[in-house]
Amino acid sequence: DSGVTQTPKHLITATGQRVTLRCSPRSGDLSVYWYQQSLDQGLQFLIHYYNGEERAKGNILERFSAQQFPDLHSELNLSSLELGDSALYFCASSVVSASSYNEQFFGPGTRLTVL
Amino acid sequence: GEDVEQSLFLSVREGDSSVINCTYTDSSSTYLYWYKQEPGAGLQLLTYIFSNMDMKQDQRLTVLLNKKDKHLSLRIADTQTGDSAIYFCAEIETGGFKTIFGAGTRLFVKA
Repeated sequence: DSGVTQTPKHLITATGQRVTLRCSPRSGDLSVYWYQQSLDQGLQFLIHYYNGEERAKGNILERFSAQQFPDLHSELNLSSLELGDSALYFCASSVVSASSYNEQFFGPGTRLTVL
Repeated sequence: GEDVEQSLFLSVREGDSSVINCTYTDSSSTYLYWYKQEPGAGLQLLTYIFSNMDMKQDQRLTVLLNKKDKHLSLRIADTQTGDSAIYFCAEIETGGFKTIFGAGTRLFVKA
């Protein structure tokens, strides 16, 4: 158990809908990262938050947004869903946000299926 | 831009050594990492190497770093069926805020 929790574990929805994925980092971790894992794209970095502020953006679509709240939990919002958004979405957390040793602890993931 | 490349599949027999290779582009990365993903689970850090090291050994795992060629490898000695998983190479982008993962190498271990 990494200490990172993600809810829900599974989500099935229809095209055009909007969903929210939730992540609670390990106690004491200020950084939260979101990743998308699909069969054809591998593991793609989406976005990184540190103590409530966005720090880096990766291959995140404009239809997707995220935020980190004062209690450090984070939510990833996916809107206007398409079939191609079906994937595993991972959240990871770490203690630091700097150019130094940065072990990320991954949650179990949310499997999103868009029908 | 920054990129990390790995071969997608590797198949070995139980008891043999496995070598998983990775190339990266950001030469200023401070640390390089190997993560393991078992079926149905999230990624877990397996080992890492600091960029000023050439080699790091940790029990059955040996990490080799060739900075000139930007090549990283992970050797697993005496591979067991429990080592079957996807192995990801990762580097921290210059500036430290973005971790770039390779596509992952799926290791199959035959009994």
